Amino acid sequence: GAVVSQHPSRVICKSGTSVKIECRSLDFQATTMFWYRQFPKQSLMLMATSNEGSKATYEQGVEKDKFLINHASLTLSTLTVTSAHPEDSSFYICSARVRTALGEQFFGPGTRLTVL
Amino acid sequence: RKEVEQDPGPFNVPEGATVAFNCTYSNSASQSFFWYRQDCRKEPKLLMSVYSSGNEDGRFTAQLNRASQYISLLIRDSKLSDSATYLCVVNTGRRALTFGSGTRLQVQP
Repeated sequence: GAVVSQHPSRVICKSGTSVKIECRSLDFQATTMFWYRQFPKQSLMLMATSNEGSKATYEQGVEKDKFLINHASLTLSTLTVTSAHPEDSSFYICSARVRTALGEQFFGPGTRLTVL
Repeated sequence: RKEVEQDPGPFNVPEGATVAFNCTYSNSASQSFFWYRQDCRKEPKLLMSVYSSGNEDGRFTAQLNRASQYISLLIRDSKLSDSATYLCVVNTGRRALTFGSGTRLQVQP
């Protein structure tokens, strides 16, 4: 399958700081990437769709000014959690779909964010 | 009603058992179907795509019933390493795939 990398894998920060997470498609070009969040023992929740060269599309209830998404190239999308608070502590996972007939989606390894 | 519904489980089965999971989807125009596996504190990984004619990959068999709008996954000869959450996933035509909440499987020695 296609390879998606994500960095960092884990981050611990103080409340009020901003955290940037990078997502890269390593062996294919992704015009669209997706950002998910998952709290312990809960389902994946789609936060936003990242579109190369244009604004991200956010799901209902997700604050676009708090979760800044930039998709500057066909292989890189970044998510910045601005002014992070303890309630933002979660597992953030990016994903990209491949351009095949079935359109499978492949995930990065995720970033575990802990805000103190 | 959720677009993709799964029994959350957990399914607790002994090693060597055969276990089956079902999933239903609400959008009759859905185009493609998948099973993903997610281990604890890890990202989801594609297990297999599901074809109309049914398909098998080793101990895993997936089937699709378009008329009844359900998908199944059968695991034969369960191993301890099969313990995970299995996510039913549907391509409803949106940009992102639609994920079920998952069914947790615990294989016991």
